[in-house]
Amino acid sequence: ETGVTQSPTHLIKTRGQQVTLRCSSQSGHNTVSWYQQALGQGPQFIFQYYREEENGRGNFPPRFSGLQFPNYSSELNVNALELDDSALYLCACQFGNSYNSPLHFGNGTRLTVT
Amino acid sequence: GEDVEQSLFLSVREGDSSVINCTYTDSSSTYLYWYKQEPGAGLQLLTYIFSNMDMKQDQRLTVLLNKKDKHLSLRIADTQTGDSAIYFCAETPRNSGAGSYQLTFGKGTKLSVIP
Repeated sequence: ETGVTQSPTHLIKTRGQQVTLRCSSQSGHNTVSWYQQALGQGPQFIFQYYREEENGRGNFPPRFSGLQFPNYSSELNVNALELDDSALYLCACQFGNSYNSPLHFGNGTRLTVT
Repeated sequence: GEDVEQSLFLSVREGDSSVINCTYTDSSSTYLYWYKQEPGAGLQLLTYIFSNMDMKQDQRLTVLLNKKDKHLSLRIADTQTGDSAIYFCAETPRNSGAGSYQLTFGKGTKLSVIP
């Protein structure tokens, strides 16, 4: 058990729609990162939130946005969905924001865009 | 191209040792990680090694790091059918910036264990 929970587990959306994915973690996981894992690929870093502010972003367009709440839960929002957004979205949490505090991943949300 | 490279498939017999290899590009990576992903699941941290170490052993797992060649390997002793999964190597790249903690993953090696 990693203490990281994601919802929903599966989701089907239509191109052009918007989606919100959620992540919650046990108390103390004050850093949350989101990764996109396309089929057959390794996870790609989307962005990270630390103390409720974005703290680093990967090569993803602005239609990918996020939030982190005071209770450490987080949301990933994707606007104007495209077919290529179909992927497993992983939330990863850690205590603090240092390299010796490993990431703990949730089981992910499988998003299918048709 | 990929910053972290792994072979895509490995097949071993139950009871044998498995060796999964990885090459990375950022010589300033502080930590290097091995994650395991079972079907339908997220990533499980197996082990990690600090860049000033050459080897780390944790029960059946042995990690070897060759910084000169930027080569990382994971050896699983006495491989079991439950070890069948995809194994990802990951590094922390220098350009993480602003204190953010980003991992760069390889595409993963699918380990199949034959009973």
